[in-house]
Amino acid sequence: GDSVTQMEGPVTLSEEAFLTINCTYTATGYPSLFWYVQYPGEGLQLLLKATKADDKGSNKGFEATYRKETTSFHLEKGSVQVSDSAVYFCALSSYNNNDMRFGAGTRLTVKP
Amino acid sequence: DGGITQSPKYLFRKEGQNVTLSCEQNLNHDAMYWYRQDPGQGLRLIYYSQIVNDFQKGDIAEGYSVSREKKESFPLTVTSAQKNPTAFYLCASSKAGTKITGELFFGEGSRLTVL
Repeated sequence: GDSVTQMEGPVTLSEEAFLTINCTYTATGYPSLFWYVQYPGEGLQLLLKATKADDKGSNKGFEATYRKETTSFHLEKGSVQVSDSAVYFCALSSYNNNDMRFGAGTRLTVKP
Repeated sequence: DGGITQSPKYLFRKEGQNVTLSCEQNLNHDAMYWYRQDPGQGLRLIYYSQIVNDFQKGDIAEGYSVSREKKESFPLTVTSAQKNPTAFYLCASSKAGTKITGELFFGEGSRLTVL
């Protein structure tokens, strides 16, 4: 079945460092891809999405490009802030499923 | 403001007791979902419902039950048959099934601890 694999954490960075969180997927057909963020004690919020190959999703300085040839959707940010500390989930949705498939989550801690 | 409300935020249960977690949405969404979150395992789907009076099992439905009598409400009952119920439970909704719109809106979660 469809699935998502993302890099294990935790990831600890200093403020203003560059962030990459890797995400790869397995799916039949053409899924839509998402990054969700979860701040401590809260539910998940949509961060960005891409619905077709070569699309780039972006929001709050974060970006991810839908790469069909490498089945990847890596999350990047050029300069992280302390307020970016959270757990990040890669996810996919496809016409084969009635639900969203999530990766295991990557915890990011940004230190001042 | 529109959103999803889960209650209670924290719940303690003795072994052998059933508990019900509430989920209400005022987004006029058709589809609703329950996920379970455990450390290091991401989110796993328990049940989902795409229309009133209809619901389907997800990957880990054993030991859980749901109902969908109203569009706005999708309560989850954790029964005594659930062997390891201590977890963080998240309710979500979407305008239609995720195969159509792909975006989920989440509540703030309910943390259940079995004593």
